Amino acid sequence: DVQMTQSPSSLSASVGDRVTITCRASQSISTYLNWYQQKPGKAPKVLIYAASSLQSGVPSRFSGSGSGTDFTLTISSLHPEDFATYYCQQSYITLGFTFGPGTKVDIK
Amino acid sequence: QVQLQESGPGLVKPSETLSLTCAVSGYSISSGYYWGWIRQSPGKGLEWIANIYHTESTYYNPSLQSRVTISMDTSKNQFSLNLNSVTAADTAVYYCARVKENYLSGSYYKIVDYWGQGTLVTVSS
Repeated sequence: DVQMTQSPSSLSASVGDRVTITCRASQSISTYLNWYQQKPGKAPKVLIYAASSLQSGVPSRFSGSGSGTDFTLTISSLHPEDFATYYCQQSYITLGFTFGPGTKVDIK
Repeated sequence: QVQLQESGPGLVKPSETLSLTCAVSGYSISSGYYWGWIRQSPGKGLEWIANIYHTESTYYNPSLQSRVTISMDTSKNQFSLNLNSVTAADTAVYYCARVKENYLSGSYYKIVDYWGQGTLVTVSS
């Protein structure tokens, strides 16, 4: 099984801050890494796929990088609607998706 | 616009079978894509359960494979999940979802692009 970890588990930030979240895979997954945003009571929404490609309709302040085992999600300037929980997900194993434990971004 | 809607009992007794159905509108499930189930519990976060392809090939989370069955009914444009021998650990919000392949630089990258709203299933006597 491919295990995913994320850090930090939570962070407090202000509107306008630059935020970086890290995700690590237990084995190399190339660039088969997606990022999702989830707000309370809602299903997750995909932001980034293939580690660094922006899903259609997602604001350009979101970006992703990395390959192999280490990945980052960056929000260049935090907007009020970005306060949410963020999950990484590997899609390297054929249809055996694994999600990270999540990073909660809340208001400082 | 593709929409997915879960339905099924919100309360299941321990050792019984959890059965959920996902009704899909806006797209014929027999035309393509993978369709699947994902659950979310406070203790285990987001956990993929199973997927089924439009050809009815199935894929299961190894940790749940012995208890899970996913199936589809193309005449009703819906797919279903059965999870047997449930315990309190199976209490979660269950989401049905569509898995899409994005093509990029010679490779296909799978994402979950549509989700149902989720349904809470509690396992308790």
